[in-house]
Amino acid sequence: DAGVTQSPTHLIKTRGQQVTLRCSPKSGHDTVSWYQQALGQGPQFIFQYYEEEERQRGNFPDRFSGHQFPNYSSELNVNALLLGDSALYLCASSLSPAEGTRYGYTFGSGTRLTVV
Amino acid sequence: GNSVTQMEGPVTLSEEAFLTINCTYTATGYPSLFWYVQYPGEGLQLLLKATKADDKGSNKGFEATYRKETTSFHLEKGSVQVSDSAVYFCALSANAGGTSYGKLTFGQGTILTVHP
Repeated sequence: DAGVTQSPTHLIKTRGQQVTLRCSPKSGHDTVSWYQQALGQGPQFIFQYYEEEERQRGNFPDRFSGHQFPNYSSELNVNALLLGDSALYLCASSLSPAEGTRYGYTFGSGTRLTVV
Repeated sequence: GNSVTQMEGPVTLSEEAFLTINCTYTATGYPSLFWYVQYPGEGLQLLLKATKADDKGSNKGFEATYRKETTSFHLEKGSVQVSDSAVYFCALSANAGGTSYGKLTFGQGTILTVHP
């Protein structure tokens, strides 16, 4: 049973460019959340998608946007990249927002984004 | 808002030593509490959880008890192994509705190194 899969695993972009990261949730999961983890820090919540809508959002600028598809997979888009956007981006999934909140989320291995 | 504070690290132990990593939290209501572990170059794995006061979460020899009176969720293991070397994150999720619902709030992480 595949867990949460993310692609690509590593990515190098130039300042000002745009990037799209992809996530396939664990089988049977319909809720996807995205987190940003800077080096040496704990993950920070970006947003959560459920039923193809953004349900919750953390303190991230509008340059960060996302999408959820009918098959529950999700994309994270970041526009006008800054050096400070360099981080590990983690995707997490759960059976529902309530299940994840109460019992925890399954995380992928992440996409390491480097902005130069 | 919600917050999680972990003991400052890193923590270095010899194999078979006793481990404690302190975690305290601030939250309204009755959050769920989690410990996640991150091995080098990987994403987060749920180590254990507790969903209500006085619950004890346990897994792979690790334990933590949800103490509402002290707002704490300290991680313990009686005898650590070299393979336990990783970064450990304490986290909470708010079970009530509102802007915090659905997201995990993490501590800054504690690096554990176990020597043979």
